[in-house]
Amino acid sequence: DTGVSQNPRHKITKRGQNVTFRCDPISEHNRLYWYRQTLGQGPEFLTYFQNEAQLEKSRLLSDRFSAERPKGSFSTLEIQRTEQGDSAMYLCASSLVSREETQYFGPGTRLLVL
Amino acid sequence: AQTVTQSQPEMSVQEAETVTLSCTYDTSESDYYLFWYKQPPSRQMILVIRQEAYKQQNATENRFSVNFQKAAKSFSLKISDSQLGDAAMYFCAYRSARGSQGNLIFGKGTKLSVKP
Repeated sequence: DTGVSQNPRHKITKRGQNVTFRCDPISEHNRLYWYRQTLGQGPEFLTYFQNEAQLEKSRLLSDRFSAERPKGSFSTLEIQRTEQGDSAMYLCASSLVSREETQYFGPGTRLLVL
Repeated sequence: AQTVTQSQPEMSVQEAETVTLSCTYDTSESDYYLFWYKQPPSRQMILVIRQEAYKQQNATENRFSVNFQKAAKSFSLKISDSQLGDAAMYFCAYRSARGSQGNLIFGKGTKLSVKP
């Protein structure tokens, strides 16, 4: 059990550019979640997958955001035409079906949009 | 919609002493889960303790215990024998027991400092 991993750990980009983050969940965890955390706040839910199916999306997930989990393993979160307001920590978490209520978090990707 | 409130932005405790972090929540559901997560500076979020709403017995994990008051919708975390490594942001979180509701709802956090 190597834990949830996320890449890159840090990303600096210019406004208007596209960025993509990757999350590798704990093996055999079939639920995968994305959250966003801004400074001084708790994480806010963005979306989650069960296997390859995207089951829920938050209203925070604007049209510029897209997430995929094509083979039910790793997931990617893409932000198109980044804005300064997208600057945040993007957290990924995963859980087991049998204990789906307990989510295990990765270290996050910190995004800074200049 | 469910909400989670942590009314203490910052707390401080002397090493080896006990501290209690407060959390209240609002929900119309009867079945749910509550969690405390710890986020050390620049490190990932770690699950500290969880509580099922249907269980009357308060959860404990070593030096960490909760006081779950369902009627009052209160879920406080007690840390006994505080250690320097306990210094972190602590987040209270709620999750519905409905399978379709996958997400955790977090409070704004309490920053805990531990004085040597």
